[in-house]
Amino acid sequence: DQQVKQNSPSLSVQEGRISILNCDYTNSMFDYFLWYKKYPAEGPTFLISISSIKDKNEDGRFTVFLNKSAKHLSLHIVPSQPGDSAVYFCAASGEAGSYQLTFGKGTKLSVIP
Amino acid sequence: NAGVTQTPKFQVLKTGQSMTLQCAQDMNHNSMYWYRQDPGMGLRLIYYSASEGTTDKGEVPNGYNVSRLNKREFSLRLESAAPSQTSVYFCASSEGVVSEKLFFGSGTQLSVL
Repeated sequence: DQQVKQNSPSLSVQEGRISILNCDYTNSMFDYFLWYKKYPAEGPTFLISISSIKDKNEDGRFTVFLNKSAKHLSLHIVPSQPGDSAVYFCAASGEAGSYQLTFGKGTKLSVIP
Repeated sequence: NAGVTQTPKFQVLKTGQSMTLQCAQDMNHNSMYWYRQDPGMGLRLIYYSASEGTTDKGEVPNGYNVSRLNKREFSLRLESAAPSQTSVYFCASSEGVVSEKLFFGSGTQLSVL
């Protein structure tokens, strides 16, 4: 049973526009969420995170929104750049101090120049 | 400024052969992890080591063993490789719990024939 779901395998966006990547989760015990970006032939790199006590976290062009009642989070990239083309993974942590992350299957973002 | 270094980058094994994947980090991190990524899947945790001298099973530990050799090094061993273990393997490290960001190596592409 998939506890972290990224229902869009791929997304194409024009350069300069907003990219919105979505993630849903089923486990109400998750309380910390992270986004990782992965380029081909490289390991994932941390992008941004959010605690369940917040509903928004912003870092430059990247903003993550958390809707706990809907068990939904989204990553907004504004403006999108060609270098943002990558696979984005949503991940969730079960409890404070947990060593285990549950990852979604990823969404491949293509930013078209 | 190496970060997390994995060796080898590529490996082909025959069913039943054994091998060890090596991982080292130079960031003085306490925690280290082994993940596997299969096509169309998110990353799944195989084993982790919260601190030097400790190891714990993750989501998919069967068929694997690990050794936390010292604070820097964490190896993953396949005693008798099976085709189901064909995957990309990522080592990662973090200062502590995964609510902090993980730093990943570049991965090992393993094929078991």
